[in-house]
Amino acid sequence: AQSVTQLDSQVPVFEEAPVELRCNYSSSVSVYLFWYVQYPNQGLQLLLKYLSGSTLVKGINGFEAEFNKSQTSFHLRKPSVHISDTAEYFCAVTTAGTGGSYIPTFGRGTSLIVHP
Amino acid sequence: KAGVTQTPRYLIKTRGQQVTLSCSPISGHRSVSWYQQTPGQGLQFLFEYFSETQRNKGNFPGRFSGRQFSNSRSEMNVSTLELGDSALYLCASSLARYRNPNYEQYFGPGTRLTVT
Repeated sequence: AQSVTQLDSQVPVFEEAPVELRCNYSSSVSVYLFWYVQYPNQGLQLLLKYLSGSTLVKGINGFEAEFNKSQTSFHLRKPSVHISDTAEYFCAVTTAGTGGSYIPTFGRGTSLIVHP
Repeated sequence: KAGVTQTPRYLIKTRGQQVTLSCSPISGHRSVSWYQQTPGQGLQFLFEYFSETQRNKGNFPGRFSGRQFSNSRSEMNVSTLELGDSALYLCASSLARYRNPNYEQYFGPGTRLTVT
């Protein structure tokens, strides 16, 4: 079974400061990893994904994440945040299930709060 | 291209009643997934439909059911509502996510269900 742990439920940060949102996963097979953002009263939007290849993945809005297989981590980073980055961020893992289908598991989310 | 639409956006029901939620995917998308989002349990996968067939199912009781129509529109039904069913129900569409995690999911804004 797969699981995802987002280590921080809330991360406050000042505008223009760097930020890292942490995500660890547990799975016994190859994984596909995703980060989503959810703004108030909206659905989720894909920020970036790791399927294979380079372990450093760049996404939208200046975000990037690094896949670390030995640490089973997929932390999300941004060098300089804006007020508009205030939102809920979700890490998700997907593995191949029976019949070749893929079922996602989401972390509990990290609330990023950017202060002026 | 129009995004994923969900109706209604808000719904209040009484315990014991049943409810039907609707999701219209992005044109051309044949895969529709449903998720339940609650503060206590986070985001949980309910089920996924592709070409009118359920391809994957999460760990939810049989009171939760769904279907997909030939135009890819999907409905989910919850019978005998319980207080714990109060949640944001999100629908996501993709080309064929269940077969290939590379296919991005596009989320709708959700239906907020309150059970009293």
